[in-house]
Amino acid sequence: DAGITQSPRHKVTETGTPVTLRCHQTENHRYMYWYRQDPGHGLRLIHYSYGVKDTDKGEVSDGYSVSRSKTEDFLLTLESATSSQTSVYFCAISDPGQMNTEAFFGQGTRLTVV
Amino acid sequence: GQQLNQSPQSMFIQEGEDVSMNCTSSSIFNTWLWYKQDPGEGPVLLIALYKAGELTSNGRLTAQFGITRKDSFLNISASIPSDVGIYFCAATGGSNYKLTFGKGTLLTVNP
Repeated sequence: DAGITQSPRHKVTETGTPVTLRCHQTENHRYMYWYRQDPGHGLRLIHYSYGVKDTDKGEVSDGYSVSRSKTEDFLLTLESATSSQTSVYFCAISDPGQMNTEAFFGQGTRLTVV
Repeated sequence: GQQLNQSPQSMFIQEGEDVSMNCTSSSIFNTWLWYKQDPGEGPVLLIALYKAGELTSNGRLTAQFGITRKDSFLNISASIPSDVGIYFCAATGGSNYKLTFGKGTLLTVNP
């Protein structure tokens, strides 16, 4: 693993409750991403960050917010969890340069909203 | 938005057979990546391609960056049972480094 830790690894929560997932990296990479993985949809980008306090939306950002107050941490928040947000969430990091845009993934967080 | 069309969706092959999968898009990309995901794990990078026409090998894996920059393929030769998993193509283009993924190819290898 490329120094990426996701926490928690598993979580069950009730509809309407707030949930925060954490991604921590030790690689000092500039970019961090949050994806969700669902059967039949592959990996879909929720939000990404290109620096401290610099974030942008991905293709499925509704219902999610993110924050990046320091290089090593990228938080994903579900303000009011819904059953449609039951999924496996992956964090990824990259440090794009002229010839290097590879992204490395964490082990995932399985979130169940009941 | 940018979309990657990955095919086939799934493959069932016998051990020892060769495998080919590909990704196409209507958009131009600067980088193509191929990942493999084992059950319960995050995707792991297999091959990275940075130049149109580039052909790169990693052991039994070979991948090519299409000359039009709109497609890529991955070949696996002489498959073995541990090749089982989901294979994803991914691509990025432009200055924002957003990585777009295909929907994956589920590979099953029968011993």
